[in-house]
Amino acid sequence: AQSVTQLDSQVPVFEEAPVELRCNYSSSVSVYLFWYVQYPNQGLQLLLKYLSGSTLVKGINGFEAEFNKSQTSFHLRKPSVHISDTAEYFCAVSGRGAQKLVFGQGTRLTINP
Amino acid sequence: SAVISQKPSRDICQRGTSLTIQCQVDSQVTMMFWYRQQPGQSLTLIATANQGSEATYESGFVIDKFPISRPNLTFSTLTVSNMSPEDSSIYLCSGWTSGRLNEQFFGPGTRLTVL
Repeated sequence: AQSVTQLDSQVPVFEEAPVELRCNYSSSVSVYLFWYVQYPNQGLQLLLKYLSGSTLVKGINGFEAEFNKSQTSFHLRKPSVHISDTAEYFCAVSGRGAQKLVFGQGTRLTINP
Repeated sequence: SAVISQKPSRDICQRGTSLTIQCQVDSQVTMMFWYRQQPGQSLTLIATANQGSEATYESGFVIDKFPISRPNLTFSTLTVSNMSPEDSSIYLCSGWTSGRLNEQFFGPGTRLTVL
C-alpha cells in the first residue's frame, strides 16, 4: 500500500517569489508520482507526473518537480509565482502497473500581491 | 486528453433521499473511478467502475450505499443512497486509458449538500 504526506497545509507567498510545495510518499513497491492542481470550484488538472527516467520533471504553467528516491520525496517548485497560481495542490502516488491514486491532504497555495 | 462531464454539477438534497450522478467521457477509457472529497479534505477513492460487472469498492465503502453502474466504456453512474448530512461532499469521477501513460483525468465534480 502507498501513502502520501504533504508537509504543509497552507503556503502563503508573495507574487513573483519562488515556491516549493513538499510531498513525501511511502510505498513498498516502485511508484508513479503525480501533482494535481484544483482551482476554486473546479475539478483536478494534472500538472506533471513522474513515471521513469529523468528525476526532474517539467509540467504545465512553469512548474517542475524532482523525484528523490532516497528521500522518498517529490517536491513541487516554481521559480516565480503569479496570482493565478492560487489553488489547492495535491500530490498523488500509484503503484507501478496500478491505476488507483492515493492522494495527499493537499496544500493551499495563496499568492499575495 | 479526454474530457469528462458530470451531471448534476451541484445539488441540495434532503436526508433519506438518493441522488444519482452521471459521468460521461468523450472517448473510450479503460478504467473509470469515483472519488469523494469531503469539505476541506483530500480525495478518497470510493470504487473502480468496471464495465459490465460489479464495481470494486475500497475499504469503508459498500455497494448498498454507493451503487455504481458502468454500461459501456464512456459512461458511469454513482448513486448516493439514503443520504445523511455526512454525505455532503464533492464527488468526482475520473478516467484512465492505457494509451495515456498512466494519466488519470478528472471531471469537474458534483457538489452535494445534504440537509
